[in-house]
Amino acid sequence: QKEVEQNSGPLSVPEGAIASLNCTYSDRGSQSFFWYRQYSGKSPELIMSIYSNGDKEDGRFTAQLNKASQYVSLLIRDSQPSDSATYLCAVNRGWDSGGSNYKLTFGKGTLLTVNP
Amino acid sequence: DTGVSQNPRHKITKRGQNVTFRCDPISEHNRLYWYRQTLGQGPEFLTYFQNEAQLEKSRLLSDRFSAERPKGSFSTLEIQRTEQGDSAMYLCASSPKVPEKLFFGSGTQLSVL
Repeated sequence: QKEVEQNSGPLSVPEGAIASLNCTYSDRGSQSFFWYRQYSGKSPELIMSIYSNGDKEDGRFTAQLNKASQYVSLLIRDSQPSDSATYLCAVNRGWDSGGSNYKLTFGKGTLLTVNP
Repeated sequence: DTGVSQNPRHKITKRGQNVTFRCDPISEHNRLYWYRQTLGQGPEFLTYFQNEAQLEKSRLLSDRFSAERPKGSFSTLEIQRTEQGDSAMYLCASSPKVPEKLFFGSGTQLSVL
């Protein structure tokens, strides 16, 4: 089982719709969870971080975390064509679980296409 | 804040040659990371520096790879005797005290012919 799994997509949504991106992880000791956006040919850019179970909202983005199910998601409301990119889920084991607290493990990413 | 700078942006080399990449992190960041990304994959951790100390090196790295960060400022990643499987985007990132918030550079795209 891969450490961080994402549906590679592509996920295609119409402009104005809600895009839902999902991620599962295998290490129950994971403490920190991140979503990075990567435009084609560019480097990843952090858009959301979440550390506790529940929802975290930032503008049009909502991250959701369920540690019991080992599941993280990202919702993008009112999707825009400029949101078209690959979204990478990343996981960190944190200080207390005996692993490195600085190493991020990334999934393969989900390609999102928002159609005008 | 000028961001993380990487040079060169592109490198084409022949198999067996040595290559060196440079990364200049954001000046106030004491943590520096190297990741490697191939097409269709997420970034893969290579190594980590806190100031000038290299604290972890991925088991995936062979002895052909070496990284340095003299004086805790810029970093270099050297690949000796390159192989075609080394072709990838090499990403450098830095972070402030909160280690997980990585700021990536534009990367160096390596092509080994």
